[in-house]
Amino acid sequence: GAVVSQHPSWVICKSGTSVKIECRSLDFQATTMFWYRQFPKQSLMLMATSNEGSKATYEQGVEKDKFLINHASLTLSTLTVTSAHPEDSSFYICSAKKRGGVETQYFGPGTRLLVL
Amino acid sequence: SQKIEQNSEALNIQEGKTATLTCNYTNYSPAYLQWYRQDPGRGPVFLLLIRENEKEKRKERLKVTFDTTLKQSLFHITASQPADSATYLCALGRGGGSYIPTFGRGTSLIVHP
Repeated sequence: GAVVSQHPSWVICKSGTSVKIECRSLDFQATTMFWYRQFPKQSLMLMATSNEGSKATYEQGVEKDKFLINHASLTLSTLTVTSAHPEDSSFYICSAKKRGGVETQYFGPGTRLLVL
Repeated sequence: SQKIEQNSEALNIQEGKTATLTCNYTNYSPAYLQWYRQDPGRGPVFLLLIRENEKEKRKERLKVTFDTTLKQSLFHITASQPADSATYLCALGRGGGSYIPTFGRGTSLIVHP
């Protein structure tokens, strides 16, 4: 199998607070993990790519100081939305690529963030 | 600029019929194309990958075609079932070590019993 989990599955927070989302590969080692954001009826927008033990690579237009990504181990990556604002409300999805794997990504179930 | 087009209107079909979804692209030379299924409030689930040198690929009731001349992929579900109702996303990748695909918006499929 290739199971990816995310925690929490949903979170509601006040504007100005920080929120941490965890992404774990449960039964494989993920050398690379990806973070996406998806708005209703829109496509997945890649935010950043993280490789274990190195700094994340952010897509153009994504603020790295606002969306902090840490990939401390081969099975865990975290996304922290700092000083969240209502416009950060979205569906955040992570995915992972197996070590030595080909092009297939395995997605987590997603985290729904609502900032009030 | 690169563009991936999937029909934004939902496809409604009757149970038992074949569902056909379309993915068109422009300004792109993909090395491979993937199809994913996404249920509401869930992450996408990988279904099939087809490479640029392949015309067709099958997996159980699923069939994917890839026409690089027309710049189009068709995704077929035969003998469709209500449980097949979901949004189907296509994603294109360049390959050559660049394994980050670009996703289309997806097409919603609704299979009526």
